[in-house]
Amino acid sequence: KNEVEQSPQNLTAQEGEFITINCSYSVGISALHWLQQHPGGGIVSLFMLSSGKKKHGRLIATINIQEKHSSLHITASHPRDSAVYICAGLWETSGSRLTFGEGTQLTVNP
Amino acid sequence: NAGVTQTPKFQVLKTGQSMTLQCAQDMNHNSMYWYRQDPGMGLRLIYYSASEGTTDKGEVPNGYNVSRLNKREFSLRLESAAPSQTSVYFCASTRTGTNLYGYTFGSGTRLTVV
Repeated sequence: KNEVEQSPQNLTAQEGEFITINCSYSVGISALHWLQQHPGGGIVSLFMLSSGKKKHGRLIATINIQEKHSSLHITASHPRDSAVYICAGLWETSGSRLTFGEGTQLTVNP
Repeated sequence: NAGVTQTPKFQVLKTGQSMTLQCAQDMNHNSMYWYRQDPGMGLRLIYYSASEGTTDKGEVPNGYNVSRLNKREFSLRLESAAPSQTSVYFCASTRTGTNLYGYTFGSGTRLTVV
């Protein structure tokens, strides 16, 4: 079993739809990091959270520590949101090391 | 602009050649990392440096060496490149001391070994 698992692998939506990407993680991971990778390859940090919920613009990230599950939501999706979204788990005792999920390829059609 | 600078952006090597990927950050971050990204797989840690003067192996260190030259710079060296090292390489950095600082990634190096 992978230490960080994302679903779905691929997601296609119409502009304006509400999008959810899920991430499950193993015992020993103390925080979750959500990243966005653009078609050009650059990786941008979106959120890092260890409890509760964070919001930035149309992006919302939540984490449930008991269930070891995190979600990334995009409200009112737009074609410019098309990218690969990656969740990564931060280990409690590892020098801030991350273990990455395989990513979710999101395509938002106009 | 503040951030992580990686060079080169693209490189083609012949099997057996050597090269060094350079990474520098200007955010006074303590920790620096080298990852590789392959199709169908998540980013995998090659080596990391939790602080200046220390380096440690990650998940896939074989065939690589690193140097933390100073607090700003962390280089990755391939001594004898192999086709299996064809990948996209990312350098990243973060502060340490708390687990809630974000990471900053370089723009990546696309390496092809023929």
